[in-house]
Amino acid sequence: EPEVTQTPSHQVTQMGQEVILRCVPISNHLYFYWYRQILGQKVEFLVSFYNNEISEKSEIFDDQFSVERPDGSNFTLKIRSTKLEDSAMYFCASLFSGRPPHEQYFGPGTRLTVT
Amino acid sequence: KQEVTQIPAALSVPEGENLVLNCSFTDSAIYNLQWFRQDPGKGLTSLLLIQSSQREQTSGRLNASLDKSSGRSTLYIAASQPGDSATYLCAVRPPSTTGANSKLTFGKGITLSVRP
Repeated sequence: EPEVTQTPSHQVTQMGQEVILRCVPISNHLYFYWYRQILGQKVEFLVSFYNNEISEKSEIFDDQFSVERPDGSNFTLKIRSTKLEDSAMYFCASLFSGRPPHEQYFGPGTRLTVT
Repeated sequence: KQEVTQIPAALSVPEGENLVLNCSFTDSAIYNLQWFRQDPGKGLTSLLLIQSSQREQTSGRLNASLDKSSGRSTLYIAASQPGDSATYLCAVRPPSTTGANSKLTFGKGITLSVRP
């Protein structure tokens, strides 16, 4: 069964460094999302992406964040200058099309630890 | 702004018990609702998705119901097993004509422990 994959599974970085989290959505999906989950807190929406542009972003998704679909298969989340509070689990999700049931499929997540 | 609440935060039951997990949401204008399972430190596994026009969905020992007008959903787990121990999250999606705006709003989850 097709699945969303994410790499790396765990990333440790120092404060102020740039990180890129990678996702490979399911191949025929058209809509892509990033969510994050700070330890012990709710899963929060960051950004949605369709047709090579951002569709919607949350207030969390400030200028330090960017997303890209560089090659038609990967979907990346870049954090330019990481902060301690960026430590979280980051989930990528994808969705097939605008037709029901609009089920989002989630990847296994990347645990980002900022020291 | 949509808020999703799941109470209690944790639940411990003996093996074999039938149980109900509750989810409530403040804005009844939803497109669908998904229930997920999350094992410690792991990703989100979709269990059931209910469209706003549906009342319930079933998969094996799981049954999810939706009462959109009252802003409530329940996940029923029959004959619970230790392997069901995990955190169960519900998430709602707002109405949209396309998938582009289908961000999900999550509850905090209910951590279930099934004792052998």
